[in-house]
Amino acid sequence: DAGVIQSPRHEVTEMGQEVTLRCKPISGHNSLFWYRQTMMRGLELLIYFNNNVPIDDSGMPEDRFSAKMPNASFSTLKIQPSEPRDSAVYFCASVSGNEQFFGPGTRLTVL
Amino acid sequence: GENVEQHPSTLSVQEGDSAVIKCTYSDSASNYFPWYKQELGKRPQLIIDIRSNVGEKKDQRIAVTLNKTAKHFSLHITETQPEDSAVYFCAASRIPTFGRGTSLIVHP
Repeated sequence: DAGVIQSPRHEVTEMGQEVTLRCKPISGHNSLFWYRQTMMRGLELLIYFNNNVPIDDSGMPEDRFSAKMPNASFSTLKIQPSEPRDSAVYFCASVSGNEQFFGPGTRLTVL
Repeated sequence: GENVEQHPSTLSVQEGDSAVIKCTYSDSASNYFPWYKQELGKRPQLIIDIRSNVGEKKDQRIAVTLNKTAKHFSLHITETQPEDSAVYFCAASRIPTFGRGTSLIVHP
């Protein structure tokens, strides 16, 4: 298994543009988490899914953020419109038992 | 909700010394405490975890201790090596709340 796959690995966009981050979890893992990591705020949980169903999105900072998991092998995190303060590394992680397996992350820069 | 505090934020040691990182948590219902290591530019990876029915767990040079009464847990690294240099995160509960991280620097 290739592990958790995220794309793109780097994204540079201008303020106001829509950004879509993608994640493919490890096959057989039934929970998926989205995190944001910044120097100021550390590693923050944004939302997580169990069996493709969103369970807790209380960490999503604003209505500009949305996440979907249409099937067990794919999830997206969308930011519309993007703002410079959204610049961060976004990780997704899939879970086996209690262990979280993180993807390589997407480094987002909003100019 | 859960609140996790982690100290110190930076820890600098000489190769061969021991390093200790401490975390406290607020929710007495939390029963799972993982530790993650994140090397520069890489993803966090689980290095050790402990459940609330155990007071201590060891894996080679790393160990974790848990005091449920005081609601704190610690990571101990012995005989540190330069490759141990990284940011270490503690977390509490299966739906993890992470500490702010400790940047460990091991000087050769």
